[in-house]
This record gives sequence, C-alpha cells and structure tokens, in this order.
Amino acid sequence: NAGVTQTPKFQVLKTGQSMTLQCAQDMNHNSMYWYRQDPGMGLRLIYYSASEGTTDKGEVPNGYNVSRLNKREFSLRLESAAPSQTSVYFCASSEGRGGYNEQFFGPGTRLTVL
Amino acid sequence: DAKTTQPPSMDCAEGRAANLPCNHSTISGNEYVYWYRQIHSQGPQYIIHGLKNNETNEMASLIITEDRKSSTLILPHATLRDTAVYYCIVRADMEYGNKLVFGAGTILRVKS
Repeated sequence: NAGVTQTPKFQVLKTGQSMTLQCAQDMNHNSMYWYRQDPGMGLRLIYYSASEGTTDKGEVPNGYNVSRLNKREFSLRLESAAPSQTSVYFCASSEGRGGYNEQFFGPGTRLTVL
Repeated sequence: DAKTTQPPSMDCAEGRAANLPCNHSTISGNEYVYWYRQIHSQGPQYIIHGLKNNETNEMASLIITEDRKSSTLILPHATLRDTAVYYCIVRADMEYGNKLVFGAGTILRVKS
C-alpha cells in the first residue's frame, strides 16, 4: 500500500497562475482533508470531504476549491495564486465512520508563489 | 473543540523517557485526546489517543488525569529519531470528517 500520495512534490507559480494539487489514497478511506502549513506554524484545515460526494470548508478556505473526484482522489485547486498561498500543503485521509479516526498524511507539496 | 496548551520546546537525553505535557482544561466529556508528531517537515504521524483511561501502544504511553484536564505523552526510551514537533489535539469523534485543529505543538529535541 502506498498510503496517501501527493503530486507534485514541489511547484513554483507566478502570481495569478492556476494549478491543481492532486491527492490519492489506497486505504479505502471515506474522509479526506487538505491542510496548509506555513513556516513555524501548525497545520490549518482548508477543506475536507467527510465522504464521497461531499465537501466542506475548513478554517482557511478562501482562494481554494476542491473536488472529490471519487473515493480515492481529492484535489485542491488554486484558481489565481497569490504570494500568501506560499506554503506546504498536506493531504490526509481517515476511515471516517465516527469514533476515533486516525488520520494518515501524505508527504506534502511545497508551493512557492512569486 | 477544546483548546490545548503545550510548552514550546523540551530537551531529552537519548535513552531517557520523554514526558510531554498538555493542558486541556476545557475538554468536554465526549472529546478524545490525540497525539501526533511531525518529523522535519514530513506529514504528521499519529501516535496515540485516549478518552479517560491511560493508553499504551508500541510507540508511546498516554496518561490522562482523572479530571481529564491534562495529559502526558511518554516516550519511554527516546532516540534521536524522536526529535520532532509533537501536537496534542482534543477532538470529539461523533461524526464523519474528523477535523483536527493543530496548535504550535512542542518541539522535542533528543540529544546524545
């Protein structure tokens, strides 16, 4: 099992450009999440998908959109990148049936917006 | 979700036990205590969780006070590879979509 995979690993964008961060999990998990982590800070939730077909905003959703393509895949889109979106982006998944739910994280995408 | 308070950093000698405290005085009855760690910019890794009772697994032990207002994560024999940021998170688990709210965590430095 690969667990949670993310592509790309690194990306440099110019202000105003768009891009999509891809995330996939092979653990048959119901719930998936996108977090961002700025230098020296903890992770902040951007969007999550509790189950296939649903998405909800997290703590910092502005400037982002998400798509739960199927049970395995959850993508994050930046329509018009801004320097404030320079960050490390982590995708995670969890079984999501209620009760305690360990989250499994991907290796992250390091994004720089110039 | 209840707020947690952790010391910003701690040092520990290699081979000794590392005891990481966490205060969560406003925790509700249905909220669990989770611990995750993040090693050098990797994705966070689940360590352990508990509700009321003390818990132990192959990585660590979790001691929760009787009033549940604080807890301690114990790494029994710390190694250099345990150097990481440790996050204490409290969260109710009554629904799909187990959102986690990460604070700044505790930077644990294990020294030889």
